[in-house]
Amino acid sequence: GAGVSQSPSNKVTEKGKDVELRCDPISGHTALYWYRQSLGQGLEFLIYFQGNSAPDKSGLPSDRFSAERTGGSVSTLTIQRTQQEDSAVYLCASSLVSGPSGSSGEQFFGPGTRLTVL
Amino acid sequence: AQSVTQLDSHVSVSEGTPVLLRCNYSSSYSPSLFWYVQHPNKGLQLLLKYTSAATLVKGINGFEAEFKKSETSFHLTKPSAHMSDAAEYFCVVSDRNDYKLSFGAGTTVTVRA
Repeated sequence: GAGVSQSPSNKVTEKGKDVELRCDPISGHTALYWYRQSLGQGLEFLIYFQGNSAPDKSGLPSDRFSAERTGGSVSTLTIQRTQQEDSAVYLCASSLVSGPSGSSGEQFFGPGTRLTVL
Repeated sequence: AQSVTQLDSHVSVSEGTPVLLRCNYSSSYSPSLFWYVQHPNKGLQLLLKYTSAATLVKGINGFEAEFKKSETSFHLTKPSAHMSDAAEYFCVVSDRNDYKLSFGAGTTVTVRA
C-alpha cells in the first residue's frame, strides 16, 4: 500500500513569507509526527498528533510554527514569517497507536519537504 | 530524558568487509532502540528495533544489532558490506511508553568498490 507522502518535495521561499507543508499519513494510522532535520541540529521532534488533537507541541521552535490535522488524516505544518534558520528538511511520520500511554510502535516516515528560505 | 550518541560521524568500508556502527544511549526508563537508514533523497527506513525481547536483533538487509544494558550500547553490524549500503544511519531511542523519538547525529557510511 501507499506510504507516507509529503508535498511539496522542495520549497524555496523568501524571508518573511508564510509556507504550508502537507503530510498524508498511511491510511488507518491514528498518530502523526512532524520532525525537522537541519544541519548542525540533526533530527528534532516538533509535534505529535493523536487523531486530530496535538497532545504534545513541545518541539515547535517558536510561535511562528503551527500545525493542524483534519479528519484524522492529512496534516499541515505552517511556518509564518519564515526566517533563514527555518531552512531544513521537514519530515512527517505516522504510526498505529495503541493504548492511552501513546506507545507508538513503528513510525513510518515520508520523504520529507526540503525548505529553503532565501 | 533519553539521548543517543553515535560515536562515528563517518565510516568507510570496502565492499565485502564488515560494517560496525557504534551507538550509546541514555534513558531514564527501559528503552526502545531503533536503527533507521536514510538513502539520499529518500525517507527514513526502519532497519531494526529492540523493545525488550531478545537482545540480539536481526533486521533487514543482513543488519543486526545487540542490546547491551551493562554498556548502554546498541551497535549495528553487518558481516559483508554492499555498495547499496552507502547511506546515513541513525540510532534512535525512545522510552518504552513514549512516542517521542530521540535521534543520534547520524553516521554516514561510504562503501568502496
